[in-house]
Amino acid sequence: QLQLHESGSGLVRPSQTLSLTCAVSGGSISRGGFSWNWIRQPPGKGLESIGYIDDDGSTYYNPSLNSRVTISVDKLRNEVSLKVISVTAADTALYYCARGSYYYDTRDSRRYWYFDLWGRGTLVPVSS
Amino acid sequence: DIQMTQSPSSLSASVGDSVTISCRASQSIGDYLNWYQHTPGKAPKLLIYAASRLPAGVSPSFSGSGSETEFTLTINSLQPDDFATYYCQQSYGFPRTFGQGTKVDIK
Repeated sequence: QLQLHESGSGLVRPSQTLSLTCAVSGGSISRGGFSWNWIRQPPGKGLESIGYIDDDGSTYYNPSLNSRVTISVDKLRNEVSLKVISVTAADTALYYCARGSYYYDTRDSRRYWYFDLWGRGTLVPVSS
Repeated sequence: DIQMTQSPSSLSASVGDSVTISCRASQSIGDYLNWYQHTPGKAPKLLIYAASRLPAGVSPSFSGSGSETEFTLTINSLQPDDFATYYCQQSYGFPRTFGQGTKVDIK
């Protein structure tokens, strides 16, 4: 059974860089057909998708983060990483990694994407 | 961004009750709608994808319906493990967006 486990830098000071890792166990991250996503939830607020990296290395980032984000994959370590530069208190959140998968409808060739596996999340406070 | 609005934001129910949660999209999203269950301290769990499809291993007490802008999640015969927060999420456009959540607690 594939499992995802987030870990990170703990407390981050404002203007510094937030760095997180998602360790994937029970399966290879190199297996095609999936995307690897980061999602966050600020205290008392809803879920926000940060972005993803897919199996050919293409990335997408939520424009709301203003180009401060980088998502990368280390296939040797079987890990996905997230970096957010120039953080502020607004970046304080519970950060999740999630695998993106899809259902392919053969009737009309449409792909229905969803997040089928999640980690438990790691809390990142941003404070001086 | 596509805005997802859930109602109610919370509800109280008893074991054995059936409940319905609504999710509205700010524009038509076809059937590109997923539902998740989240209990604090646990990983969120996929319940429904493509508006009405049940992933393997998910209890058939969960069902989803709807299309375009209006969607519902129904939980039949609530069990103790079902008291959690439920989120809808659209996969029609980028960025992917979620509803604000509906907390189901014990009456």
